Amino acid sequence: ILNVEQSPQSLHVQEGDSTNFTCSFPSSNFYALHWYRWETAKSPEALFVMTLNGDEKKKGRISATLNTKEGYSYLYIKGSQPEDSATYLCAFRPWDYKLSFGAGTTVTVRA
Amino acid sequence: ETGVTQSPTHLIKTRGQQVTLRCSSQSGHNTVSWYQQALGQGPQFIFQYYREEENGRGNFPPRFSGLQFPNYSSELNVNALELDDSALYLCASSYGMAEELAFEQYFGPGTRLTVT
Repeated sequence: ILNVEQSPQSLHVQEGDSTNFTCSFPSSNFYALHWYRWETAKSPEALFVMTLNGDEKKKGRISATLNTKEGYSYLYIKGSQPEDSATYLCAFRPWDYKLSFGAGTTVTVRA
Repeated sequence: ETGVTQSPTHLIKTRGQQVTLRCSSQSGHNTVSWYQQALGQGPQFIFQYYREEENGRGNFPPRFSGLQFPNYSSELNVNALELDDSALYLCASSYGMAEELAFEQYFGPGTRLTVT
């Protein structure tokens, strides 16, 4: 079982504020890093697939960076809105393609 | 929504019983993966099927088995249920072989299994 850690476990953000959180993963045998958003009572929704060191991806107000050499990825939410409230999961994909998920960061945006 | 459906939504079983969970993949997807999410943890990879063959398995005992059908729908079967099998079970479908692409998986909403 590969060690994928996300921190913090949860955070509260005031509407309009920006925030970021971390996913740490093994720096060896890297193939891809996935980010998902998971709202309560819904299916996990794919946000990004990142494959190259230094990758930066953006989708609306959400963006992510990747450092495969040191084994971490940051997810940023700019100008948080209540609809951003969700659990954000990262998943590490090594060359044997078996995804290992972190436990998630639960974001609550307060109006 | 992802187009991936799972049934049933919730299920209660007794220890020692057997259970079958079902997943209907997104149209055109030939690969399905199953995950178990216990409370407070991230999803754990159970196994993956590609074109009706199992082509990868996580650290789960043989009493966890699966099937993928020609229409690419699939089943997860768990025999001799244990209390620790209580979890949310997710399936995810995708197109292509896992190792060929950093492809996206599309998840279903999950089946909540409670073992008493």
